[in-house]
Amino acid sequence: KNEVEQSPQNLTAQEGEFITINCSYSVGISALHWLQQHPGGGIVSLFMLSSGKKKHGRLIATINIQEKHSSLHITASHPRDSAVYICAVRVTGKLIFGQGTTLQVKP
Amino acid sequence: ETGVTQSPTHLIKTRGQQVTLRCSSQSGHNTVSWYQQALGQGPQFIFQYYREEENGRGNFPPRFSGLQFPNYSSELNVNALELDDSALYLCASSTNRDGTQYFGPGTRLTVL
Repeated sequence: KNEVEQSPQNLTAQEGEFITINCSYSVGISALHWLQQHPGGGIVSLFMLSSGKKKHGRLIATINIQEKHSSLHITASHPRDSAVYICAVRVTGKLIFGQGTTLQVKP
Repeated sequence: ETGVTQSPTHLIKTRGQQVTLRCSSQSGHNTVSWYQQALGQGPQFIFQYYREEENGRGNFPPRFSGLQFPNYSSELNVNALELDDSALYLCASSTNRDGTQYFGPGTRLTVL
């Protein structure tokens, strides 16, 4: 079993829909990162969380430390949100990554 | 744009050869991490350098080595290349060992 599990692996949505991507982890962490990766490889850091909730534009990230679970929400999704979303947890100075969730938003 | 650059963007090598990949971090970023991402997989941590010293290492053999220089650049060296080393190699820099990481665009290595 991977230390970081994401669900779903693939997600197709219609433009405007509310999207949730989930991340569960099994190790003690100091922080959790949500990252976005576009085709071609470039990775952008969206959020770094150690507790509670953060919001940036249409993106919201939450974390429940007790349940070892985090969610990334996208409100009013748009085709430009199509990308791979990766959850990564920080453990003693290194990041452990999930497999990623491939999101496609159709117009 | 994260301000982190990597070179080259693509590289083709044959089995047994050696390769050096380069990363240039933002000024003031004293920490650099290197990751390997195989096709369809999440990145895997190779190692981290903090103030020019290795600060942590993932499950990679010693033929993967690195250097970090005072001018915020760094290198990843891989000796005795194997077919399974074919992957996207990403570097990420940060202002401290636990801070937000800024990723470069990656180097795609193909080993034939």
